[in-house]
Amino acid sequence: EPEVTQTPSHQVTQMGQEVILRCVPISNHLYFYWYRQILGQKVEFLVSFYNNEISEKSEIFDDQFSVERPDGSNFTLKIRSTKLEDSAMYFCASTGGGTDTQYFGPGTRLTVL
Amino acid sequence: AQSVTQLGSHVSVSEGALVLLRCNYSSSVPPYLFWYVQYPNQGLQLLLKYTTGATLVKGINGFEAEFKKSETSFHLTKPSAHMSDAAEYFCAVNTNAGKSTFGDGTTLTVKP
Repeated sequence: EPEVTQTPSHQVTQMGQEVILRCVPISNHLYFYWYRQILGQKVEFLVSFYNNEISEKSEIFDDQFSVERPDGSNFTLKIRSTKLEDSAMYFCASTGGGTDTQYFGPGTRLTVL
Repeated sequence: AQSVTQLGSHVSVSEGALVLLRCNYSSSVPPYLFWYVQYPNQGLQLLLKYTTGATLVKGINGFEAEFKKSETSFHLTKPSAHMSDAAEYFCAVNTNAGKSTFGDGTTLTVKP
C-alpha cells in the first residue's frame, strides 16, 4: 500500500538555525499538508498546498515558515530561524482530493535546543 | 468553520469492557469524520472514517463509529477492550480536500 514518507525521523537543531523537513507524498495525490503536534497536545494544522501554491495557512504559519514542492515528488517545510517553541512532531499528509482520506506520514520529531 | 470536541481527556476501562470515546463536531458543510490512534512516539494511524453513505462505519482492530447528524456526534466504540488498545485517540473533521481539525485527544487506559 502506498504511504507518505518523511525524513529525517528526528532532527535536533540549535535555536536560530534553519531546518528543512522533507516529505514524499503519495505519488498521485494533489493536495499536501503540514501539521504539528507539540508534545502532549493535539495535532494542529499549519498549511495546505495545492497546484503549487498555498491554499490555506493557520496563524501558526508565520513568516518563519515556508513550503515548497521542488520537484514532482518532494514536499518540504522550512523553518528559517528555529525557536524553542518550534520543538514538536511535524506530520506531512496528502490526499487525492474529494472524499479521499488524508494519509499521514510517520512524522519528524524536531527538537530545538 | 469546523471544530471537534472530545469529551473526556482520559478514559479508563477494564480489559474486556466496552470502550466508548466521545466526539462531537461542528461544521458548516457536510463533514468528513475520522478517528485516528496514536501509540507513544509514533504517527497517526487511521482507524476509520465517515464520508458519505452508511452512518455506522467499521474500522480496524474491532472499532466502529456511528455518525449521528442530529446529535453532531461521531462516537467511537469497541465491544471488548484489549490491552493493546491503550493509546491516544484523536477525532478529526475535514471537508472536501480541506484541512483536518483535530480534537484534543483521549488517552485510553486498559486495566488488566
